[in-house]
Parts: sequence; structure tokens; C-alpha cells
Amino acid sequence: AQTVTQSQPEMSVQEAETVTLSCTYDTSESDYYLFWYKQPPSRQMILVIRQEAYKQQNATENRFSVNFQKAAKSFSLKISDSQLGDAAMYFCASYRQGGSEKLVFGKGTKLTVNP
Amino acid sequence: GAGVSQSPSNKVTEKGKDVELRCDPISGHTALYWYRQSLGQGLEFLIYFQGNSAPDKSGLPSDRFSAERTGGSVSTLTIQRTQQEDSAVYLCASSPLRLNTGELFFGEGSRLTVL
Repeated sequence: AQTVTQSQPEMSVQEAETVTLSCTYDTSESDYYLFWYKQPPSRQMILVIRQEAYKQQNATENRFSVNFQKAAKSFSLKISDSQLGDAAMYFCASYRQGGSEKLVFGKGTKLTVNP
Repeated sequence: GAGVSQSPSNKVTEKGKDVELRCDPISGHTALYWYRQSLGQGLEFLIYFQGNSAPDKSGLPSDRFSAERTGGSVSTLTIQRTQQEDSAVYLCASSPLRLNTGELFFGEGSRLTVL
């Protein structure tokens, strides 16, 4: 079974600074995808960034980037130049290609951005 | 609208009553998912539909929970004889076909409170 672990229930960062959110996962498969989703107070979750396991290059999306350490099964999210609008719950998730058609989510990290 | 629509947004009910939660996915999306989000517990998978069939019902917590989807579109999640532990936000998501890109499009959820 897939498991995703987020060990930081809460994090805070000063506006304009950088913060890293941690995630570890456990899958025995070689073909899988990893994701970070953001859930603002409106409750609607949106995809922040996606990483294919077969790609060695870390994914980046503007101020968001990941540090994908396949051997360590680690997948952290780095937010640069943090903005007030980044305040939200962040969920790490995994999807196993060819397995059950569902995303498995971690318990989330609540990010607070201080002005 | 263009997004996933869920209703009601908030529902307060008494223990023992039945409730129905509705999800209207993005037009043309064949895959539909229900997740439950309890405080501090992340997202718990409930059920997945591909068209009108449900290949994976493994996450339904008990036989009090059921879901159906008609016309490959609208889905209803029904909880019978509600209990206080059913209190949570129920999130619906859809995706175009299979989850090969991993992006789910979420609604804003239905917050259920059982008194």
C-alpha cells in the first residue's frame, strides 16, 4: 500500500522569505507520480506542482520547486519569495501508475505567512 | 459553471438522519472521486467512478455510506443514520479520463456537521 507522510503539521514563514515543506512516501513501484496540492481557506484544492518519478530533473513552477530524492523517497516543496496568498494547507500526494486509480494524500502542512 | 460544483456547501443534521451530498463534475470528465477530510486527518479516499461504474469502493467506511453516479455526470454520496464521527468535509474531484497526469479538479466541498 502507498503511504505519504508529512511530518510538519504547521509551518510559518516571513513574507518574501523561503520555506521548505517536507514529504516522504512509500511505494514499491517504479512508475509513479508525486504532487503537491494547495488548499486555501476556500477549501478548493488546486495542483501546485507535479513530479514524474522517472524524471531526474526536479520540477519547478515559478516560485515553487521540489527536491525529489528518489532513493530516500523524499519529496519536499520549496516556496521562494513567499507571499501572503501562499498561506494555506499543503498536501503531498502520490499516484501509482497501473495501480488503483486514486491519489493517496498525506495529512497536510498548514503554512502561515507573516507580513 | 466551468468547475466542479458541490452542494450543499454546509449541512447540519441530527444524529440518525440521512444526508445526501451532490457533486456535479466538470463537463466531459469521466472519472469522479469522493474524499473525506476530517480535522487533522488529511484526505481519506472513499470511492472512485469511471463513467457510471465504481471500480473502487474500498474507502467507504461502512455500509451506511453509498454513492451513485448517473449519466456519467452527477454523483450523489448518501450517508444513512449519520453518526457524530461522520462530521467532516466531503470533497469531490473529477479528472478527464484516467489519472495519468495526476491532476484532480476539486470542488469546494460539503461540510457536514452531525449533532
